[in-house]
Order: sequence, then C-alpha cells, then structure tokens
Amino acid sequence: GAGVSQSPRYKVAKRGQDVALRCDPISGHVSLFWYQQALGQGPEFLTYFQNEAQLDKSGLPSDRFFAERPEGSVSTLKIQRTQQEDSAVYLCASSPSGREETQYFGPGTRLLVL
Amino acid sequence: SQQGEEDPQALSIQEGENATMNCSYKTSINNLQWYRQNSGRGLVHLILIRSNEREKHSGRLRVTLDTSKKSSSLLITASRAADTASYFCLLPRSGGSNYKLTFGKGTLLTVNP
Repeated sequence: GAGVSQSPRYKVAKRGQDVALRCDPISGHVSLFWYQQALGQGPEFLTYFQNEAQLDKSGLPSDRFFAERPEGSVSTLKIQRTQQEDSAVYLCASSPSGREETQYFGPGTRLLVL
Repeated sequence: SQQGEEDPQALSIQEGENATMNCSYKTSINNLQWYRQNSGRGLVHLILIRSNEREKHSGRLRVTLDTSKKSSSLLITASRAADTASYFCLLPRSGGSNYKLTFGKGTLLTVNP
C-alpha cells in the first residue's frame, strides 16, 4: 500500500446529510492537499496541510466544509448539511515536503448528493 | 489569481502522430507541472519544470517553458491509444502566504487507433 488511498470511493448522500471523506497519504509525506473536481473540469484547490497545520483553507466553498489532519498523517474532509452542488469527485494528494513538489493523488471519492 | 489556461480544449489525432498542448498563465512562477488524468489511473504526475529550465524530456514527453511569454507546452511524440486522457498544467501561486495551487481546465486528448 504505497500510494494515497481514499475512502469511501463512492458516497451517496441525501441533501442535508453530513459526510466524512478520509484520506490516507503516503507514509511520511509532509504536505497534503484536498481538491474538488466537477465533471469535465480541472481539480479545484480546497485546502492545504503541512503536517497537522492547515496553512491554507481559502478554497473551501463555505463554512459547511471542514478539514482536519490532527496527527499529521490521515486527513478527513467533512461536509455538513450537504447540498446538491456539493456533488463532485474529492481528490486528496500528498507530497514529500513542500507544496510545489510532485503530488501523488488518491483515486478520489465520488460524492453524489440527492 | 493564478489560473492556467490550456489549449486546445480538445484534440483528436491518429496513433503515431504527435500531440501538442499549451498552458498559459498570468503571474510569475517558480515551477510548472503537467498531469494526466484518465479513468483507469486517476491523476498522475508527468513532469515538473522549474522557472530556470527551458526544456525537459521524459520518454516520449517533451515540456518547454517560456517565462517571457508565460507559457508552457507539452509535446507527446508517437502517440498511442493509451495516451488518451485529459492533460492539466498545475501552477503554484508565487510568493505570499497563500499556498493555493491551481489546475487549468485541461486538454482532452483522444488518440484514435
């Protein structure tokens, strides 16, 4: 298991439901990123962690979105009171140290909000 | 804000032909990365080119960077059906305290067998 893993791979939620998406980065990677990708579009930056510190959350669409990485490894992206416009693929990526290095992406979680 | 713009948006070629796609940007950068995304393997890093480099090769891939024109190109030579994918450039925001990275909208490449 050397790559980035994400779970669940697919999630169907009813509007208003809370969801939690998990990312397991490559062991020892300092940087962790979350992206949101709508169909036919490029990934959009959500937030960036360096170890446990969330250094940039400027891409989070609203205060319903919350991300954490409490021990500097596994990260969770939580979406409260999901809306239909939250339907997208959520991608997690990690890199060994700085933010401008090669990023290694997980397979993504496809979220569908009905 | 920094945003890469790839062109063309879509490109369809025959196997064996070369494919060129471009990425333009607005503000100065320290480096630029190219990624490929297909349904089978997700998003995969291809090449990172730094601002002091003009050209970089990796197998059948050649990336150029022209900082005066604020543009980069990705050339895939002798294309194969397996190269069918979306290709994105990734730009960092230069300096400041904002750590945001920005993908372009991508070029959808179709290689016909």
